[in-house]
Amino acid sequence: GAVVSQHPSWVICKSGTSVKIECRSLDFQATTMFWYRQFPKQSLMLMATSNEGSKATYEQGVEKDKFLINHASLTLSTLTVTSAHPEDSSFYICSASQAGPGSYEQYFGPGTRLTVT
Amino acid sequence: GEDVEQSLFLSVREGDSSVINCTYTDSSSTYLYWYKQEPGAGLQLLTYIFSNMDMKQDQRLTVLLNKKDKHLSLRIADTQTGDSAIYYCAETLYSSASKIIFGSGTRLSIRP
Repeated sequence: GAVVSQHPSWVICKSGTSVKIECRSLDFQATTMFWYRQFPKQSLMLMATSNEGSKATYEQGVEKDKFLINHASLTLSTLTVTSAHPEDSSFYICSASQAGPGSYEQYFGPGTRLTVT
Repeated sequence: GEDVEQSLFLSVREGDSSVINCTYTDSSSTYLYWYKQEPGAGLQLLTYIFSNMDMKQDQRLTVLLNKKDKHLSLRIADTQTGDSAIYYCAETLYSSASKIIFGSGTRLSIRP
């Protein structure tokens, strides 16, 4: 149980285009979803936290107009990287929590590798 | 401030025990976690410990927590080649219960 999927698993796009990444909880309802970014050989950095039906909360330094997050249902959250640039190339990982804030466990997706050329 | 630190590399012989160490700065941690990440993959929660516990054992894994020194360790008994991965120490804080703060990760390599 508690499986989180991401789609696509990898994507290559041209500079200036937008890319949408989906995160789905397959067998549970995710009240809260999280988006992380991981640069090569670095740790995960939280980008934003989203609760179903409300606006995402972004971490300091993350541009909300560039990284659009939509948590439209209890099983789906999307991250859209708008006007992507090469420096946005990274590994994007989502996670989902069953019980919302205070739940001790987040279930992580397999990640999406974005390469911007 | 919020900071979780780990050594970057650890090499052990197959069959030996691996001990991965972590220090954290915020005394208001509620949960402390160990995650495993294999190449190109997401994170797998290995185990966690609540901050009022000193030790937790789960099969080959033993977690020790020293709250006074703000030190957390993960011991993997009888280390196997399949244990090769990056291990992340992480914490959640009382003040922000849903936010997980990750350490830099320790790359564990197994030699024959």
